[in-house]
Amino acid sequence: DQQVKQNSPSLSVQEGRISILNCDYTNSMFDYFLWYKKYPAEGPTFLISISSIKDKNEDGRFTVFLNKSAKHLSLHIVPSQPGDSAVYFCAGAPKGAQKLVFGQGTRLTINP
Amino acid sequence: GAGVSQSPSNKVTEKGKDVELRCDPISGHTALYWYRQSLGQGLEFLIYFQGNSAPDKSGLPSDRFSAERTGGSVSTLTIQRTQQEDSAVYLCASSLTGLVGGELFFGEGSRLTVL
Repeated sequence: DQQVKQNSPSLSVQEGRISILNCDYTNSMFDYFLWYKKYPAEGPTFLISISSIKDKNEDGRFTVFLNKSAKHLSLHIVPSQPGDSAVYFCAGAPKGAQKLVFGQGTRLTINP
Repeated sequence: GAGVSQSPSNKVTEKGKDVELRCDPISGHTALYWYRQSLGQGLEFLIYFQGNSAPDKSGLPSDRFSAERTGGSVSTLTIQRTQQEDSAVYLCASSLTGLVGGELFFGEGSRLTVL
């Protein structure tokens, strides 16, 4: 069974500090991983992705780290801004499958 | 508009009634997905359409759920004899070519409440 888990339902961070969102997966059959961001009453929007053969991908304030031995990935946002307050979903793309497996999401709140 | 369009945005129905949810994908996108998000849960895959290929229905939770995609564009998700556990936000997404090299573009969702 291919599962993606986000064990922290919520996270609160002060503006300007680093936000670290975590995600674990249960097997090694994912081709790549993605992070999506969701505001209330809107659909999720793509944020950043990482191939399973990489260990880091950076895009501006957003960096995703992949630790394959620990089956763990994390999204770092630095510096955090009030507009980053949203629900963040981690997702895995299984090899050979045309669908994403999503985690439960983490609600990030950036405090001024 | 240029994005994925879903209707209705909100639907309240009585247990046992049938509902239809509509998705209009981004023009030219060959791949279309339905997901749902129940309260406090992640996004659960339901069904995937790619061009003229047979859809991947592996995520449909029961035979009360069905979906079709007409003309390779608009899709309708039908839930028959709705149950309270069907209450969720149903999200449609499209992609230019499917997952390989393509991100998913989501609509705003249809919130279904079954009383």
